[in-house]
Amino acid sequence: RKEVEQDPGPFNVPEGATVAFNCTYSNSASQSFFWYRQDCRKEPKLLMSVYSSGNEDGRFTAQLNRASQYISLLIRDSKLSDSATYLCVVNRGTGRRALTFGSGTRLQVQP
Amino acid sequence: DAGVIQSPRHEVTEMGQEVTLRCKPISGHDYLFWYRQTMMRGLELLIYFNNNVPIDDSGMPEDRFSAKMPNASFSTLKIQPSEPRDSAVYFCASSLGRSSSYNEQFFGPGTRLTVL
Repeated sequence: RKEVEQDPGPFNVPEGATVAFNCTYSNSASQSFFWYRQDCRKEPKLLMSVYSSGNEDGRFTAQLNRASQYISLLIRDSKLSDSATYLCVVNRGTGRRALTFGSGTRLQVQP
Repeated sequence: DAGVIQSPRHEVTEMGQEVTLRCKPISGHDYLFWYRQTMMRGLELLIYFNNNVPIDDSGMPEDRFSAKMPNASFSTLKIQPSEPRDSAVYFCASSLGRSSSYNEQFFGPGTRLTVL
């Protein structure tokens, strides 16, 4: 079983749609959670951290369920520029800097 | 501000040759990470350093791979001898230990390696 599992997609949605991605992680010792974004043939970049209480950044909302070891990302009012691969990321344990990246979910927003 | 710098951006070599990838982290960052990304395996952590000291090299695939960080502003990843299965994009990333964005890693543009 992979440490971080994501649906690879692609998710094809029209502009303005709301889309949700989920991921599950297997290491119960993980304490830090993130969503990174990777554009085609580019490097990954941090989109947002994920906090236990849930957090929002503009059109993006992230949720964490520690009991189910489940992380989600909701994108509202999708823009063409949101087209990218979204990587679910967890750290490898308390205080550990090493990160484990999921394989990513590809989003394609259509005009 | 300069981000993480990697060189070369592209490398094509023949099986058996030595390959050296280079990375300059963001100035002041005390953590440096080397990753490899392929379609099959995704993004994998190879090794990371803290204050120039290797902390975890459990992701290094085999003895053909070695990494060094002689000072705070430079690191190398060497593959000797290279094999076709080493073809991948190699990313270097750095982060600041004491940061409000705990664990945010800043990635370089990557080196696309092709071993023929």
